[in-house]
Parts: sequence; structure tokens; C-alpha cells
Amino acid sequence: NAGVMQNPRHLVRRRGQEARLRCSPMKGHSHVYWYRQLPEEGLKFMVYLQKENIIDESGMPKERFSAEFPKEGPSILRIQQVVRGDSAAYFCASSESLRETQYFGPGTRLLVL
Amino acid sequence: AQTVTQSQPEMSVQEAETVTLSCTYDTSESDYYLFWYKQPPSRQMILVIRQEAYKQQNATENRFSVNFQKAAKSFSLKISDSQLGDAAMYFCAYGSSNTGKLIFGQGTTLQVKP
Repeated sequence: NAGVMQNPRHLVRRRGQEARLRCSPMKGHSHVYWYRQLPEEGLKFMVYLQKENIIDESGMPKERFSAEFPKEGPSILRIQQVVRGDSAAYFCASSESLRETQYFGPGTRLLVL
Repeated sequence: AQTVTQSQPEMSVQEAETVTLSCTYDTSESDYYLFWYKQPPSRQMILVIRQEAYKQQNATENRFSVNFQKAAKSFSLKISDSQLGDAAMYFCAYGSSNTGKLIFGQGTTLQVKP
């Protein structure tokens, strides 16, 4: 049973470009969560999705950030017009249900030049 | 709002010895979960142990155990017989059964000395 998959593992973008981060949950998991980890800090919740629905986006910046989890395919975290402050590690986690343990992917390290 | 506090930025332990990492949290919810995750240099987040708030018995996973004090809102992690591979950043996390999201502490870097 493959774990949570994230790609790319490393992403370099110039200021103003778009970044697309992908997350495939574990088999049988329909709940996906995105977290951001700035250097030397803990993880901060961004958004919680189920298939085709955003359940909680209280941690998402109001502008430039969006997330989706379509019926088919991986969950996507999209950052438009990236700025240097977006440089961070972005982790995806998945679970079977709201009350079950979240398992994390390896993360995507985004570097904005 | 829930908060999680880890007051020890760094800890060190001699190989084969025991170490305890501290964590306190604040919440008004009655139904929640607590976790310890390990983040080695690879940056992968690895689940160490999980505790349900409604359970009085402390969770144990091999060399890892917790001391869960619900009234004091304390959730410490004890690592017995420490191994070099235990060296990592350890994060305490609160999980709400209402919202699903995890709230993490600032982390404790554990160094294991040979």
C-alpha cells in the first residue's frame, strides 16, 4: 500500500510565476490536508478537502493560493504570482476519515528566486 | 482557539538512556486527539504515537510512551533506550475531531550522543 505521494519534491520558481503542487492520498483515503512549514518552524494548517469539496480553508492566504481535490486525480495546491515569502516546505496529509490519523507525504520544497 | 506549546527547543540524551519531551496544549473541546510526529533530516513527517483524549490509559509504541495528563493539558513523550536513529525534530500535535486539522507545536530538536 503506497503512502502519500507528492510531486515534485523540489520546485524552483522565479517571482511572479505559478507553482502547482500535487498530492495523491493513500489508497482508500478521501480526506486531504495541506500544511506549510516555514524554515525553523512547525507545520501550519492551510486547507482541508474531501473529493470535490473544500471543507476548511481557514489557513489559506486570501489571495494567490487555491486548492482543489477533483473526483479523479490528485489534489492540487496552486500558488499564483509567487513571492519570496512563499518559499517553504508544503506537506500533504491524508486520512480515511475526520477522526483517523493523518499520514504525511514527503513534502514539496518550494524555492522562489 | 487551540494552541500547542513545546517549551524545549533542544534536548540531548546519551545513547541507551531515557529522555522525556514536554508538550502542553489548550482547548475547550472535550473530544480530541494528540500526536507526536518525528521529522528526521529527510524532513519526512513520521507518526510516532497517538492518544485519544477519552482514553485514560497512556499510549505505548515499543520504546515510545506518553504521559497524558488531561486535567493539566499535558502530553509528554518518553523515549526509552534511545538510539542514534531517534535523533530528529519532534512535533507535538493536537487534532480536533470537529475540524480535522492538526495544530502543531514549535518542535523539539533531539540530539542523541553516542
